[in-house]
This record gives sequence, structure tokens and C-alpha cells, in this order.
Amino acid sequence: DAGVIQSPRHEVTEMGQEVTLRCKLISGHNSLFWYRQTMMRGLELLIYFNNNVPIDDSGMPEDRFSAKMPNASFSTLKIQPSEPRDSAVYFCASVTSAYGELFFGEGSRLTVL
Amino acid sequence: AQSVTQLGSHVSVSEGALVLLRCNYSSSVPPYLFWYVQYPNQGLQLLLKYTSAATLVKGINGFEAEFKKSETSFHLTKPSAHMSDAAEYFCAVSENRNNDMRFGAGTRLTVKP
Repeated sequence: DAGVIQSPRHEVTEMGQEVTLRCKLISGHNSLFWYRQTMMRGLELLIYFNNNVPIDDSGMPEDRFSAKMPNASFSTLKIQPSEPRDSAVYFCASVTSAYGELFFGEGSRLTVL
Repeated sequence: AQSVTQLGSHVSVSEGALVLLRCNYSSSVPPYLFWYVQYPNQGLQLLLKYTSAATLVKGINGFEAEFKKSETSFHLTKPSAHMSDAAEYFCAVSENRNNDMRFGAGTRLTVKP
């Protein structure tokens, strides 16, 4: 299996632009998580889905952030408009069962100028 | 909500020395506890997990952790550090079937020759 696949690996954009980060889950996994990692705040849970349904989005910073899971294998995290403080590494992770191991993608490094 | 505290953002040991990374948790129910490792420019990988079976858990790369309920701790140890152990280590807790996993701030391990 190819593992959790994230794209793009690196994105540099200007303030105000829309950013879309993509994640492909491991086949058979039914839960997906989006995390953000920064030096200041560490690893923060943004949102997670079970069986394509958003369960908890309380970690999403503000309305500029949105996440979707249109099917069982794919998710997007969108930031519109982007701001410099959104610069971070964004990880998605998937899991197949309750209390199971999270499998992480390699992350998308976002820089907003 | 569940949480973990990692004591020491940076630990430095000599090659061959004991590694001890500290983690204390807070949970309203019996928790599931995890240690993950992150190498530079990569996602997190599972080292080991505690799921209410044996209190001493053995993981990959010679690491182990002991669950101590009375101390609400789940410290990670390795008898003899190797240069390849240099990485960032994260303790995490999950207390429900939704896999709502919360990570500590991380501890960066440096191994000196």
C-alpha cells in the first residue's frame, strides 16, 4: 500500500490567495484527521472525520478554513483567504479502527508571504 | 478533555546512554496512550501504544514505555541510545472510540557521539 499521500508537499503563496491541500487515505481506513504543526503551537488537531462525516471541527482556527471529505478515500483542506500566520506544516492521518494507529502523510509545508 | 504533558522540550544524551523521555497524561476515563517519532521532513510514525493490556509496552527500535496509573505517567525509555534515534518524539492520548487523539508538545532528542 502506498500509505497516506498528501499534495502538494510544498506550497508558497501570497497573502489573500486560496490554498487547497489534498489527502488520499489508505484504502480501507475510515477515519481521517487534519493536523497543523508549528514551532509555536506544536501539533494541533484541526478536524477529523469518521466515515466521511465531520465529527469535531473545533480545532479549525476560523471561517477561512474548511475541510471536506467527498468520498471515502479523499479529503481537502482549504484556506481562503490565506494569511502569513497560516504558514505551517499540515498533516493528514488516517486510521482503520478505534484506538488504532494513526498513519501520517509526509505533510504539506505551506508558506504564506 | 484528555491531554498530555511532555516534560523537557529537548533532551540530549551520549551514544550508548539511557534515553528517558517523560510524559504525563490527563484523562477522565482509562486512556489509550501512544508514542510517535518524527524524523526531519517526515510525518509521525508509531513507536508503541498502550491499550490496557500489559503495563510495560515494547515498541520498535528497542524502545519501551511503562504505564503507571498512580503517577498518570507513560515515560519512554531505551537502554542504549543510537545516533539514529535522534528525532522528535511525541506522546499522545486517546480516550474515545472516535480516535480523538491529542499530542504533547514533543521532545527533541539529540544523541552525541
